[in-house]
Amino acid sequence: DAGVIQSPRHEVTEMGQEVTLRCKPISGHNSLFWYRQTMMRGLELLIYFNNNVPIDDSGMPEDRFSAKMPNASFSTLKIQPSEPRDSAVYFCASSPGGKTYEQYFGPGTRLTVT
Amino acid sequence: GENVEQHPSTLSVQEGDSAVIKCTYSDSASNYFPWYKQELGKGPQLIIDIRSNVGEKKDQRIAVTLNKTAKHFSLHITETQPEDSAVYFCAASISGNQFYFGTGTSLTVIP
Repeated sequence: DAGVIQSPRHEVTEMGQEVTLRCKPISGHNSLFWYRQTMMRGLELLIYFNNNVPIDDSGMPEDRFSAKMPNASFSTLKIQPSEPRDSAVYFCASSPGGKTYEQYFGPGTRLTVT
Repeated sequence: GENVEQHPSTLSVQEGDSAVIKCTYSDSASNYFPWYKQELGKGPQLIIDIRSNVGEKKDQRIAVTLNKTAKHFSLHITETQPEDSAVYFCAASISGNQFYFGTGTSLTVIP
């Protein structure tokens, strides 16, 4: 299996621009998670989906952030407009779901907002 | 919500020695405790996990112990090798939903 796939791996953008991060979960996994990692706050959950439905988005910092999962093999995290404080590494993880709790992380997208 | 504390933040050991990383959690409802290894520029990799109905689990040189009463769990790495050098994260979860991560331990194995 290819594992969780994220794109792009690196993104540099200017403040105010829209940023879209993409994730392809492991085939057959029913749960998908978006995390953000910074030195100050560590790894924090932004939102997660079960069977393509958003379950908990309480970690989304503000309305500038939105996430979608239109089908079982694709999810996006969008930031509009982006700000320098959004600079971080964003990870997508997937899990089989049900009684299987393991989460498998993608390689991450390093976002720099100037 | 759940609060996970992890110690130490940095750890240096000689190759061949053992390394121990400890975590505590606050929510007694947490029942799943994974450990992740993160190498520079990569995503966290699941290395071992334990559920609350088990006190200890081993996988070759890696073991995890859980004390539900005291609400703490530990990662033990024996016969450390330079390739074990990485940042290690513990996490606690209720039935695999939201993972609450510790702040990480940077392990350096000195050849």
